Amino acid sequence: DVKVTQSSRYLVKRTGEKVFLECVQDMDHENMFWYRQDPGLGLRLIYFSYDVKMKEKGDIPEGYSVSREKKERFSLILESASTNQTSMYLCASSPGLAGFQFFGPGTRLTVL
Amino acid sequence: TQLLEQSPQFLSIQEGENLTVYCNSSSVFSSLQWYRQEPGEGPVLLVTVVTGGEVKKLKRLTFQFGDARKDSSLHITAAQPGDTGLYLCAGFSGTYKYIFGTGTRLKVLA
Repeated sequence: DVKVTQSSRYLVKRTGEKVFLECVQDMDHENMFWYRQDPGLGLRLIYFSYDVKMKEKGDIPEGYSVSREKKERFSLILESASTNQTSMYLCASSPGLAGFQFFGPGTRLTVL
Repeated sequence: TQLLEQSPQFLSIQEGENLTVYCNSSSVFSSLQWYRQEPGEGPVLLVTVVTGGEVKKLKRLTFQFGDARKDSSLHITAAQPGDTGLYLCAGFSGTYKYIFGTGTRLKVLA
């Protein structure tokens, strides 16, 4: 079974903290993605990576950074968490330009 | 800007009824995916359609890709409570980005 795992299902942080969200896939996929999902706004792409150490900004990269040191792992970093970053964060991976993605279970982040 | 509009936004039906969800765009996609997402979970891939006019069946679910590859539909026959969830379509245009639809929240009552 293909698998995308995320380090935490639920996370509560305080404003100003540095937050790390980890994502690991076991399918040897080239591409990995970070989205956030908010009611009424749907899924919005934060960053994606098409190879190790390669990254591209998505539609809403402000306030976030990413790291991909190994093919299977893609990390999302909130440099200084703010309350408007409270959201559901979803990681996904896909093989090449396959046209489909596999998602992790999500991390529900609350910033107080 | 590419957009994918889904309709209806919300649907509440009785067990055993049939339903159709639509996904429409003015853009052409090289493929289109349908996902189902349950509360607190990530989306789960149901199907990918690639060829204009293509029809795929997954048990009681029938997916169709429009001839012009701009739209798609999902038809569920004899809906069951287990079909409850958020249905998302996503268009892929051959780059690394996916365009997600606005979602259809389905509730099937026993």
